[in-house]
Amino acid sequence: GAGVSQSPSNKVTEKGKDVELRCDPISGHTALYWYRQRLGQGLEFLIYFQGNSAPDKSGLPSDRFSAERTGESVSTLTIQRTQQEDSAVYLCASSHPGRTTGELFFGEGSRLTVL
Amino acid sequence: QKEVEQDPGPLSVPEGAIVSLNCTYSNSAFQYFMWYRQYSRKGPELLMYTYSSGNKEDGRFTAQVDKSSKYISLFIRDSQPSDSATYLCAMSRGSARQLTFGSGTQLTVLP
Repeated sequence: GAGVSQSPSNKVTEKGKDVELRCDPISGHTALYWYRQRLGQGLEFLIYFQGNSAPDKSGLPSDRFSAERTGESVSTLTIQRTQQEDSAVYLCASSHPGRTTGELFFGEGSRLTVL
Repeated sequence: QKEVEQDPGPLSVPEGAIVSLNCTYSNSAFQYFMWYRQYSRKGPELLMYTYSSGNKEDGRFTAQVDKSSKYISLFIRDSQPSDSATYLCAMSRGSARQLTFGSGTQLTVLP
């Protein structure tokens, strides 16, 4: 695709429900990242994939958060038993191998609201 | 204390003004320094990238890195209303793939 695609763009859920957020990276980008952005704050790193493996998942805030990637393409971020503090914009980014370290291409994010 | 500190603003300037945006950091291992621009309800996009200390210019934008002071800056000359956005500094340790972001400075350029 032309850019990083994320779905849903908006999700409203009740506390305690599970949610799945999807990311479709730019074709050929082997690296994929998930970040969280709370209102008025910077981006908080969650997890990094190289291919289908996750060498760095140090940013996942609790065991309620998990992510997977299949086919070196689509990734899913799952939040179980959502809490109100999970409300944020979840941003996915991808990067091309051989590009400068900081050049990430971001999607428009999935805005999650937990009531 | 956060690894990267950035004044959140908001910053409001008249069209044509020179804008200075800044970040300080505490981790001397950071080697790569970036500025991302984020329009409302959009994902961030890379604006400038600098490796180690020095200056880099791209059109109306200049990025400066002073590793001895652990201080980075972004200057915008002849600012335009289209520059109105949130500017995020970001940095990485090189071998680590994750970026550490500042909290962002919200800029409004008034016509």
